[in-house]
Amino acid sequence: QSVLTQLPSASGTPGQRVTISCSGSSSNIRSNAVNWYQQLPGMAPKLLIYGNDQRPSGVPDRFSTSKSGTSASLAISGLQSEDEADYYCAVWDDSLNGWVFGGGTKLTVL
Amino acid sequence: QVQLVESGGGLVKAGGSLRVSCAASGFTFSDYYMSWIRQAPGKGLEWVSYITSNGNYANYADSVKGRFTISRDNAKNSLYLQMNSLRAEDTAVYYCVRELGRPDYWGQGTLVTVSS
Repeated sequence: QSVLTQLPSASGTPGQRVTISCSGSSSNIRSNAVNWYQQLPGMAPKLLIYGNDQRPSGVPDRFSTSKSGTSASLAISGLQSEDEADYYCAVWDDSLNGWVFGGGTKLTVL
Repeated sequence: QVQLVESGGGLVKAGGSLRVSCAASGFTFSDYYMSWIRQAPGKGLEWVSYITSNGNYANYADSVKGRFTISRDNAKNSLYLQMNSLRAEDTAVYYCVRELGRPDYWGQGTLVTVSS
């Protein structure tokens, strides 16, 4: 059972906008910046967005995030087939003094 | 470019021990906190442990506390995870991860399989 809650699956067609949610608590999402990771099949996770809304070099601005209270979300606009992957939210937890992750959302591009 | 290369994974019996290593290059290793994060087959990500840049402090997930020990050798640009009293539920790919306010670069991982 993950500390952060994500729906296990999401889907969309090319060009659509999809949203992936992440729910936590006051000791993690409310207090600290949320990071998002993309994991392509058979690959290591890759940092997608950090510090709530910062994108590393090379990540397109089709990816955006928002946060409110103890919840956060990742939005992907102009969905492309190469976006098919698992997406994880992660945040520092002040009570556990460690990183906590969501269970991951598998995004399917139909 | 940043490279993290894990090694030392393999098959071990329940109750046994294993040490996995991570060789870092492409950045000043001694400037960064480092973590181990694992992923059981077909499952999500689970943080295991982190260690400060000088190695003076470390913390562990409750699931491994008292059984795993993280360490580093800044002279060798290397990170280690000593795993004792291994259980079937420790079976996972173990990733070496650099931290810069958040886990940023990940190695490709090393698979640890614990047979019961």
